[in-house]
Amino acid sequence: GIQVEQSPPDLILQEGANSTLRCNFSDSVNNLQWFHQNPWGQLINLFYIPSGTKQNGRLSATTVATERYSLLYISSSQTTDSGVYFCAGGFSGGYNKLIFGAGTRLAVHP
Amino acid sequence: NAGVTQTPKFRVLKTGQSMTLLCAQDMNHEYMYWYRQDPGMGLRLIHYSVGEGTTAKGEVPDGYNVSRLKKQNFLLGLESAAPSQTSVYFCASSFMGTGELFFGEGSRLTVL
Repeated sequence: GIQVEQSPPDLILQEGANSTLRCNFSDSVNNLQWFHQNPWGQLINLFYIPSGTKQNGRLSATTVATERYSLLYISSSQTTDSGVYFCAGGFSGGYNKLIFGAGTRLAVHP
Repeated sequence: NAGVTQTPKFRVLKTGQSMTLLCAQDMNHEYMYWYRQDPGMGLRLIHYSVGEGTTAKGEVPDGYNVSRLKKQNFLLGLESAAPSQTSVYFCASSFMGTGELFFGEGSRLTVL
């Protein structure tokens, strides 16, 4: 079946550090999204990015659909960035049915 | 602007009891979804709907039923709860054709 794999599974940072989270998918995507789940469990949509690059403040994301991966960059990390980051892909024949990765758990320490 | 609202937020059931989770969205979205999240795992799709009156199975539909009688509401039912259904349930919605997904705050269900 279709696989969405995220790395690393866990990441610990000091406040102010930069990081890159990776999402690999086993088939071509027509829909790729990044989400942040905060420590209270709330899921927030960060990016809708089936291809190309987008930036939102300290966060940016790049999807290279032809090579089947997406990257989420966090610059100058803050304690409020802590939580779990999920990527999710939508694949042909199942548009809007997203397959989620297992997530990257990020802890940012002051 | 409420977005996606789920009720109840918490529920404890005994094995064999039934219950319904309600999801309501005020964004006029066509698509609605029910996911479950288990510890250390991502989200798995239970059922989804592409419009009023339609439903379809996701990855893990067994033991659940759904209904979409009104565009703004999507109900998830458990007819005979089992301990394996202990989980956090998330409802989500999106516009048809864009796919950007918006989540509710989650409903934590414990089955004893």
